[in-house]
Amino acid sequence: GAVVSQHPSWVICKSGTSVKIECRSLDFQATTMFWYRQFPKQSLMLMATSNEGSKATYEQGVEKDKFLINHASLTLSTLTVTSAHPEDSSFYICSARGEGLAGIYEQYFGPGTRLTVT
Amino acid sequence: GQNIDQPTEMTATEGAIVQINCTYQTSGFNGLFWYQQHAGEAPTFLSYNVLDGLEEKGRFSSFLSRSKGYSYLLLKELQMKDSASYLCASTDSNYQLIWGAGTKLIIKP
Repeated sequence: GAVVSQHPSWVICKSGTSVKIECRSLDFQATTMFWYRQFPKQSLMLMATSNEGSKATYEQGVEKDKFLINHASLTLSTLTVTSAHPEDSSFYICSARGEGLAGIYEQYFGPGTRLTVT
Repeated sequence: GQNIDQPTEMTATEGAIVQINCTYQTSGFNGLFWYQQHAGEAPTFLSYNVLDGLEEKGRFSSFLSRSKGYSYLLLKELQMKDSASYLCASTDSNYQLIWGAGTKLIIKP
C-alpha cells in the first residue's frame, strides 16, 4: 500500500513554456503533499507544502508565482513550472502523507519527474 | 535551530557491516527517518525511530538516542545493490521533515 505516482516521469520543454507535473496518491488519501527539488549530487530541497483545499506554503526563496501548486483533492496535487528556464532543470519529487496509514507521519515518495529545459 | 549532520561519503566492502551516523538538533523533535535513494530515483523509506533504542529490520537496523541527538543506520551483509545515498531526516513539532545532505555509500567487491 501507500503508493504515490507522478506524471510525467521525464519531460523536455523549451525555455519560456510551462510544464505541469501531477502527483497522485493511489491507495490512500493524502491530506498533505510536499514538493521537492533535487539538483545532481545534492540533497532534497523542500519547495512547498500543500494541504488539500488550501493554499500551499512555500519555502523561503521559492517563487510562488513561478511554481504553482494546486491540491484540489485528497489524491491529486499538481506543480506547474511557469515560464521555465534552463536553471529550472532538475529532478522534481512529490511526497504525500495521510491518514489511514500505518506510519501516519511517514512521507511516501513518488518516483520523481526529471525536467530538462532547453 | 534545525540542523542535521551526516558524513558525505563512506566506502565499505561487500559482505561487511557499515554504520552511518547522523546527529541532529531539532526543535520539537518527533522522530527520525532513514531513507535510501539510488541515483536518479526517489527516496524509499527504510525506518522510523521515535523511542530510544534499536529497531531491526532484516539486514538493516536503526538506532536512536534522543538525549544525545544521535542516530545511526546499520547495514549488515552488504550487497552491491546497497550502493546508494542514505538520507537521515528528523521531524519537528509539525512533523515536517528536516533533511540531512545524505551519505553516499560505495560498496566495493
